[in-house]
Amino acid sequence: EAGVAQSPRYKIIEKRQSVAFWCNPISGHATLYWYQQILGQGPKLLIQFQNNGVVDDSQLPKDRFSAERLKGVDSTLKIQPAKLEDSAVYLCASSLSGGKNTEAFFGQGTRLTVV
Amino acid sequence: GENVEQHPSTLSVQEGDSAVIKCTYSDSASNYFPWYKQELGKGPQLIIDIRSNVGEKKDQRIAVTLNKTAKHFSLHITETQPEDSAVYFCAARTVNQFYFGTGTSLTVIP
Repeated sequence: EAGVAQSPRYKIIEKRQSVAFWCNPISGHATLYWYQQILGQGPKLLIQFQNNGVVDDSQLPKDRFSAERLKGVDSTLKIQPAKLEDSAVYLCASSLSGGKNTEAFFGQGTRLTVV
Repeated sequence: GENVEQHPSTLSVQEGDSAVIKCTYSDSASNYFPWYKQELGKGPQLIIDIRSNVGEKKDQRIAVTLNKTAKHFSLHITETQPEDSAVYFCAARTVNQFYFGTGTSLTVIP
């Protein structure tokens, strides 16, 4: 079974530039998560989708971050404009459903460096 | 919301010894507790999980215990090997969301 795919693996941009990350979840997984992991910390949820609808985006900095999952499969996360403090690893995860007791599987992440 | 605390932040053990990582949570509604292992440059990988109706679960050298009354759960790794060296994260799930601990960097010294 293929895992969660993310691209690119690494990205370096200057502050105020834009960047986009892509995620392809495990086939059949209805729930998709985007997490931000700052060095030395645990992952922090940015947004959660159930199929193509947003379940939780309370911690997404909406003035600069946006995400979509138009067909309920792939998802993109965009940052515009980027700030230095956005330097982090952006992890995508998916699970079979958003219900309780359902494990989440992570991709390898995209390491973003903003200079 | 849920608050997950994890200790210790770093742990060094001799190869063959046991390692224990502890987490506490605050929301009594949390009922699913996974543990993830994250190696350098990789995403977190689920290694074991426990649901709230179970007190202990074991998978070969890895075990997890859960005390719902005290709201804490622990990861136990026995007979540690150098390849166990990684960062370990605990998490608690409540309603729709996972809350993660801050991670434990485990080093197994050959």
